Amino acid sequence: AQSVAQPEDQVNVAEGNPLTVKCTYSVSGNPYLFWYVQYPNRGLQFLLKYITGDNLVKGSYGFEAEFNKSQTSFHLKKPSALVSDSALYFCAVRDTGNTPLVFGKGTRLSVIA
Amino acid sequence: DTGVSQDPRHKITKRGQNVTFRCDPISEHNRLYWYRQTLGQGPEFLTYFQNEAQLEKSRLLSDRFSAERPKGSFSTLEIQRTEQGDSAMYLCASSTGTGGLETQYFGPGTRLLVL
Repeated sequence: AQSVAQPEDQVNVAEGNPLTVKCTYSVSGNPYLFWYVQYPNRGLQFLLKYITGDNLVKGSYGFEAEFNKSQTSFHLKKPSALVSDSALYFCAVRDTGNTPLVFGKGTRLSVIA
Repeated sequence: DTGVSQDPRHKITKRGQNVTFRCDPISEHNRLYWYRQTLGQGPEFLTYFQNEAQLEKSRLLSDRFSAERPKGSFSTLEIQRTEQGDSAMYLCASSTGTGGLETQYFGPGTRLLVL
């Protein structure tokens, strides 16, 4: 069975500092990994995904994520946080079949001015 | 706007009533998914369609839940005899492509409150 863990419920970072939101996963085969962001009372907005190839994936709004197969991790990163990045971030995984996404519980990012 | 749309955005109902939600996917997306999100949790898969065929249903989808996508375009999710535990955000997503090319794009959700 597939699963995703986001070990931090909340991450606080000062504006301008780098941010990292952690994600680890478990799948039986090769994973497809995704990050989504959710603003209050809104649906999920796609940020980026890892399929194969380069372990560093670049996405929207300056976000990137690093795939680490040995550690089964897919951490979301941004070099310089903005107050407007404050939101709920979800990591998701599916295996290489056409299967639904399995989401983590989410990490609330708070960027303080 | 050519994104996924959902209607209504909010629904308050009394326990025991039936409710129906609608999802309009991105044009020409052949797959449509329904998820449920409760407070403090990530979205959980309910069911999905490829064109008009319902291909998979989660164990979360009790007999009181039914979903349709009659013409392979919009979809409806009906909950009969609602219970307080049905209170949640119901999210719809659509996609196209296969394997790694598939990315699901989500609508704004329908927030259901059962009193």
